[in-house]
Amino acid sequence: EAQVTQNPRYLITVTGKKLTVTCSQNMNHEYMSWYRQDPGLGLRQIYYSMNVEVTDKGDVPEGYKVSRKEKRNFPLILESPSPNQTSLYFCASWDRAVGDTQYFGPGTRLTVL
Amino acid sequence: AQSVTQLDSQVPVFEEAPVELRCNYSSSVSVYLFWYVQYPNQGLQLLLKYLSGSTLVKGINGFEAEFNKSQTSFHLRKPSVHISDTAEYFCAVSRGGTGFQKLVFGTGTRLLVSP
Repeated sequence: EAQVTQNPRYLITVTGKKLTVTCSQNMNHEYMSWYRQDPGLGLRQIYYSMNVEVTDKGDVPEGYKVSRKEKRNFPLILESPSPNQTSLYFCASWDRAVGDTQYFGPGTRLTVL
Repeated sequence: AQSVTQLDSQVPVFEEAPVELRCNYSSSVSVYLFWYVQYPNQGLQLLLKYLSGSTLVKGINGFEAEFNKSQTSFHLRKPSVHISDTAEYFCAVSRGGTGFQKLVFGTGTRLLVSP
């Protein structure tokens, strides 16, 4: 089954404690992206990747890092989380620039105290 | 810079009634336009997309949208809704024709279908 998986699904942490949210896709897609969803703001792109070792900033990259060492994985790293990073995070993948569709993961709800 | 406006934050409708969810965009260049649906506690799912060609685009689950360049709109419609259509709907525009790479999303419209 084609899918994008994210772990963990829920996370409560404290300010400054480094964390990683993993994202994995089993469709051999070239493109992957991270978004955050906040009430009243819709989704905003954090980072995206066009292939292994190729990443670029989205609209809200501050405070986040990403890496793409393998095609299937695209982890999101918060080196020093702050309360304003409390949000719902989604990973997505797709095949070509405007491929058939974009596949989203189930989301990770992060709370930073 | 592209932006997307979804004028209605919430649209209540009765089952089997028609519905229109409004989306307006601003852009000085050609764009790609998308509608997504988000069911409770799930990720987004692409409903339909406009890249070029026919201005009437048909998507999944009986939804369709019409691209109107003069009014810079891309409204989503369904002639008869079901309870299962209750969800949040997002309109998105692709900046500079970059496809899914650089999407700008609207703030969403919550569709509430009641019996």
